Amino acid sequence: KAGVTQTPRYLIKTRGQQVTLSCSPISGHRSVSWYQQTPGQGLQFLFEYFSETQRNKGNFPGRFSGRQFSNSRSEMNVSTLELGDSALYLCASSIGVGRLYEQYFGPGTRLTVT
Amino acid sequence: DAKTTQPPSMDCAEGRAANLPCNHSTISGNEYVYWYRQIHSQGPQYIIHGLKNNETNEMASLIITEDRKSSTLILPHATLRDTAVYYCIVSGGGGNEKLTFGTGTRLTIIP
Repeated sequence: KAGVTQTPRYLIKTRGQQVTLSCSPISGHRSVSWYQQTPGQGLQFLFEYFSETQRNKGNFPGRFSGRQFSNSRSEMNVSTLELGDSALYLCASSIGVGRLYEQYFGPGTRLTVT
Repeated sequence: DAKTTQPPSMDCAEGRAANLPCNHSTISGNEYVYWYRQIHSQGPQYIIHGLKNNETNEMASLIITEDRKSSTLILPHATLRDTAVYYCIVSGGGGNEKLTFGTGTRLTIIP
């Protein structure tokens, strides 16, 4: 079974721009969660989507948004990029909401903001 | 979510058992203990989880104290591929769980 895929793997943007990252979950998984990982803050939860609805949200500003499509693929968008948004963005999929023991992570998208 | 405390780093000789401690003194009755690890440049990987009983799977064993205020992850025969950052996470069963990662323990397996 193919794992979680994320595209692109690497991205360089400048301050003020916006970016969209994509995540394709494991086949049959309907929940997708997004995390931000930085050296200073560690791994932080952004949000979780299930059946095209946001089910859970972390403490991030409104510049961070996401959505999920009917095929469970998910995108996250960051608008008005800041230098501090440079991070590894990870997505994880699971069969259902809140099944923390069944979360499978993708390799991540490394975003650099200059 | 309850917070966890882990040592920042540990070393273990290859072939020996690696015992990684975690304190979660404010854990509440319906919260589980989860362990994930992150090998360099990869996404986190689920290892094991438990509520109050000790658990074992093909990767590791989880020992939870009777008062549930601490736990130990045991990798029985550590290999070089077990070098990673190990995260202990406490989260509840109410349907709005999320993984709140702390700083973890950087485990280095020494040949």
